[in-house]
Amino acid sequence: NAGVMQNPRHLVRRRGQEARLRCSPVKGHSHVYWYRQLPEEGLKFMVYLQKENIIDESGMPKERFSAEFPKEGPSILRIQQVVRGDSAAYFCASSPARENYGYTFGSGTRLTVV
Amino acid sequence: TQLLKQSPQFLSIQEGENLTVYCNSSSVFSSLQWYRQEPGEGPVLLVTVVTGGEVKKLKRLTFQFGDARKDSSLHITAAQPGDTGLYLCAGEAGGTSYGKLTFGQGTILTVHP
Repeated sequence: NAGVMQNPRHLVRRRGQEARLRCSPVKGHSHVYWYRQLPEEGLKFMVYLQKENIIDESGMPKERFSAEFPKEGPSILRIQQVVRGDSAAYFCASSPARENYGYTFGSGTRLTVV
Repeated sequence: TQLLKQSPQFLSIQEGENLTVYCNSSSVFSSLQWYRQEPGEGPVLLVTVVTGGEVKKLKRLTFQFGDARKDSSLHITAAQPGDTGLYLCAGEAGGTSYGKLTFGQGTILTVHP
């Protein structure tokens, strides 16, 4: 009875490297959402995906960030050429439908850029 | 841009006291969700309110959605140390914005034995 699984839980990257964050939604959920929680800030929406489709990426930085949710496998949030300001907790949530009124969040990936 | 103002930011009380956390906005939401987040973990959904004026109870927690669906409150009766944590409100605008939650800054509650 797994919930939303995120890995890794902690990720350390040097400036300029790439970070790949993975999210497996609750079994049967086909809608995935990524949020970022910066130190001293609240949770901010980044992107909403369905299988093989990006539905809303209005919260995603235009450069260096990308997300996908392939037909098979987990959703991936990719950050290229990381900078210190990317250090944050990244949370994934899932739902069985769009009009859902409540979401299941994973435990997050804490990214530290050194 | 929709904003949710949550207050107070910090709350430190003694066991047995009552408390209320407020979440206010100038925007209308199709639903207002309350989450609790423990250190090092993701938010866990407590309740969702969708109808203006709606009141929901979860044991000692009472949640209310404002008549105009712009604000909400969380009231805890006879707080216990186990209630300690970060409480977050989140609004969902609906329409093309389903799936896009706007979170408040959170209320850090500490209940002392």
